[in-house]
Amino acid sequence: NAGVTQTPKFQVLKTGQSMTLQCAQDMNHNSMYWYRQDPGMGLRLIYYSASEGTTDKGEVPNGYNVSRLNKREFSLRLESAAPSQTSVYFCATRSVVNTEAFFGQGTRLTVV
Amino acid sequence: AQRVTQPEKLLSVFKGAPVELKCNYSYSGSPELFWYVQYSRQRLQLLLRHISRESIKGFTADLNKGETSFHLKKPFAQEEDSAMYYCALEETSGSRLTFGEGTQLTVNP
Repeated sequence: NAGVTQTPKFQVLKTGQSMTLQCAQDMNHNSMYWYRQDPGMGLRLIYYSASEGTTDKGEVPNGYNVSRLNKREFSLRLESAAPSQTSVYFCATRSVVNTEAFFGQGTRLTVV
Repeated sequence: AQRVTQPEKLLSVFKGAPVELKCNYSYSGSPELFWYVQYSRQRLQLLLRHISRESIKGFTADLNKGETSFHLKKPFAQEEDSAMYYCALEETSGSRLTFGEGTQLTVNP
């Protein structure tokens, strides 16, 4: 059981480049989340998906898009990367409300 | 909009001293609250949730609806408690999970 797997672990992009962060879970969870972690700002919700086929904006969605491809996978896309998107990105999953969220190991993204 | 505030970014105590990590929230409904912890080089993981009323690793947290707080407490801190702690709130109408800014706890020998 891998749990929650994020790829890649590290990435350096040039300003304006695009990329997709992948998240896959084998826990059969309904809800999936993307957060970014920045010093002094904690974990901020970018997008979430309460169930397969639905997605909703979080606190900081600008500059990002998401796709809930199926129950297992939830991807985050940066169409035109900016230095302000330099951060550590975490994917998380939960089965239902009021249950534990399980996190991936994070993706460290640097935009130069 | 729901909001979680952790006023202390850094907290340093000595081993054996009591520790309290503060968490305040704003939410119009009845919230579900959690504490998550991130040890060095490990994944973020659940520490405890208010509905369980449990004590994990000696930590407890009480939901105070009047003060809209959910502070995390431990009577005697240990060096292995050094970590980043996040308070989180789940809105009861959906699955949105909002985290605070985090508090970096350092327990000195």
